[in-house]
Amino acid sequence: NAGVTQTPKFRILKIGQSMTLQCTQDMNHNYMYWYRQDPGMGLKLIYYSVGAGITDKGEVPNGYNVSRSTTEDFPLRLELAAPSQTSVYFCASSSPHEGLLLPSGNTIYFGEGSWLTVV
Amino acid sequence: QKEVEQNSGPLSVPEGAIASLNCTYSDRGSQSFFWYRQYSGKSPELIMFIYSNGDKEDGRFTAQLNKASQYVSLLIRDSQPSDSATYLCAVYGGATNKLIFGTGTLLAVQP
Repeated sequence: NAGVTQTPKFRILKIGQSMTLQCTQDMNHNYMYWYRQDPGMGLKLIYYSVGAGITDKGEVPNGYNVSRSTTEDFPLRLELAAPSQTSVYFCASSSPHEGLLLPSGNTIYFGEGSWLTVV
Repeated sequence: QKEVEQNSGPLSVPEGAIASLNCTYSDRGSQSFFWYRQYSGKSPELIMFIYSNGDKEDGRFTAQLNKASQYVSLLIRDSQPSDSATYLCAVYGGATNKLIFGTGTLLAVQP
C-alpha cells in the first residue's frame, strides 16, 4: 500500500532556483494538501485542492504554485527559491466525511515529508 | 490572535503520570478537533478526534472538548517514555473550511 508518496525526500537548492515537489496518492482521495513545517513549529497550510482542476490558497501560499490535473497528483512548485522556504514539506490527502463535501481529519494521510534547504 | 494555540513546552512528566495537553481555538464555528502525535523527523499520526462536547476515551488517551470555552485537551494516562513526542492540535471547519494546526507541545516522559 503506497498511500501518499512524496519526492524528493531531501533537496538543497540555491537562492533563485526553482523546483517541483511531487506528490501522488493511490487512494482515490478528492482532497489533497501541502503543508510546511518549520523547526519547532506546527504545520502551515500552503495550498489545497478539493478535486482535479480545483486548487485554493492556504495560510502561506506566497512563493508557491500548485496544479491538480489528475486526482492522483498534486505537485508543488517553488519559483525563485528563498532561504525563508527552508522547511519540511508534507503532502497529505483525505476523503470526504460521510458523503459530505468536508474533509475528515480522521482520514487524512500524510506523506513522509520532503526536507528542503535553500542556501 | 492565532487560530489554534498551544503551549510549546516542553512538558515534562514522570513515567506513569498523567500528561495534560491543552489547545485553544479562535473560530467558534469550528466543527472537528484532532490530536496528532509527531516524532522527530516523522510525519504526524492521528491519535484522537472529537466532534462533540465532553470526553472521548480511547485506551490511555482521553480527548476533552468544551466548545463554549473554545478549548480542547488531551490527557495521556500512565505516560510512557515512548509517548515522548510533539503533540499537534488541529481544528477543522468554521470560516476557513480548512484543517489548521497549532504549533505543537513537546512532551517529555522521564523514566
